[in-house]
Amino acid sequence: AQTVTQSQPEMSVQEAETVTLSCTYDTSENNYYLFWYKQPPSRQMILVIRQEAYKQQNATENRFSVNFQKAAKSFSLKISDSQLGDTAMYFCAFMNHNNNDMRFGAGTRLTVKP
Amino acid sequence: GAGVSQSPSNKVTEKGKDVELRCDPISGHTALYWYRQSLGQGLEFLIYFQGNSAPDKSGLPSDRFSAERTGGSVSTLTIQRTQQEDSAVYLCASSLLAGMETQYFGPGTRLLVL
Repeated sequence: AQTVTQSQPEMSVQEAETVTLSCTYDTSENNYYLFWYKQPPSRQMILVIRQEAYKQQNATENRFSVNFQKAAKSFSLKISDSQLGDTAMYFCAFMNHNNNDMRFGAGTRLTVKP
Repeated sequence: GAGVSQSPSNKVTEKGKDVELRCDPISGHTALYWYRQSLGQGLEFLIYFQGNSAPDKSGLPSDRFSAERTGGSVSTLTIQRTQQEDSAVYLCASSLLAGMETQYFGPGTRLLVL
């Protein structure tokens, strides 16, 4: 079974600074997908960024980038130039290529301080 | 509609009663997913539909849970004989196709079983 671990229940960062959220996963599969989702207080889950395991290049989306280390089974999210609107729960998720069972980590609550 | 909608947004019920939760996916999305999010926890995958078919129902917590989707659109998650441990937010998501396509989440239904 695949498991996703987020070891940081809570984090905080000063506005405009950079923060990195950690995520590790466990799988015996070789072909899979990884995601970071954001859940603000409104409860709406929003996709932040995704990465295909077969791609070596780290995905980037504006201020969001990942450090994907396949051998280490690590998928961290870096948020640059943090903004107050980045305050939310962040969930790391894993999906096996062969099925559609998305596994989520327990989440990291990020607070951006002014 | 513009996004995934769910109804009701909140539901309070008594232990032992049946409840039905509804999800309207984005028009044209063939895949539909149900998740459960308990207080302060990550998301637990329940079931997904590709069209009207649910290939794997093993994620449903017990035989009190069932889901159906008709016409490749609206889905209903039914919980029979509700228990207090069923209290959670039930999130629905849809994607254009199953697999690594981006999942778009609804606002969820907050269920409270007294």
